[in-house]
Amino acid sequence: QKEVEQNSGPLSVPEGAIASLNCTYSDRGSQSFFWYRQYSGKSPELIMFIYSNGDKEDGRFTAQLNKASQYVSLLIRDSQPSDSATYLCAVNVDYGQNFVFGPGTRLSVLP
Amino acid sequence: DVKVTQSSRYLVKRTGEKVFLECVQDMDHENMFWYRQDPGLGLRLIYFSYDVKMKEKGDIPEGYSVSREKKERFSLILESASTNQTSMYLCASNDRAGVSPYEQYFGPGTRLTVT
Repeated sequence: QKEVEQNSGPLSVPEGAIASLNCTYSDRGSQSFFWYRQYSGKSPELIMFIYSNGDKEDGRFTAQLNKASQYVSLLIRDSQPSDSATYLCAVNVDYGQNFVFGPGTRLSVLP
Repeated sequence: DVKVTQSSRYLVKRTGEKVFLECVQDMDHENMFWYRQDPGLGLRLIYFSYDVKMKEKGDIPEGYSVSREKKERFSLILESASTNQTSMYLCASNDRAGVSPYEQYFGPGTRLTVT
């Protein structure tokens, strides 16, 4: 069974701080990794994807991938209360035909 | 703008009823997916389809079936609804190639309650 693990949280950070969200995965053959944000009662929306080892930055968001350690993370700089949501890590498996999602980490940014 | 729509946002059904959940996408995507989402368990794949009339079982297909007669439409069928199928059901689609391959686009979800 291919697995993706995340700390369920809640992770609470003060406004303006850096929020760090972590994800580990079991399938060494996985090639692409996604971070989705899901507000309460809404469907997930993609915020970042990463394919290569290292960092990828997009505005306040940075995704980090370490395939050797089977670890992917998401950093949110200058966290805002509007970032309060559940963050889902998703891993592409089966040569891109399928996805496995982690259980999500609930982030709370306190004003 | 990409769009995935689902037939109902909220649905209440009785145990034993046959339930149809419909999903339509307007992006000409090859792949379509049905997930259920439960607290603490994340999204779990029920079925997916990579072409018309093609389907593959996901992680939890028991008690469900699917139908894909047209490229844009993917239906999830609960043959005989049970209370343990009370959940949020999410449909998604993606393309096999493009600027962001494999990114999934999600519908708004259907919250199904079986009583």
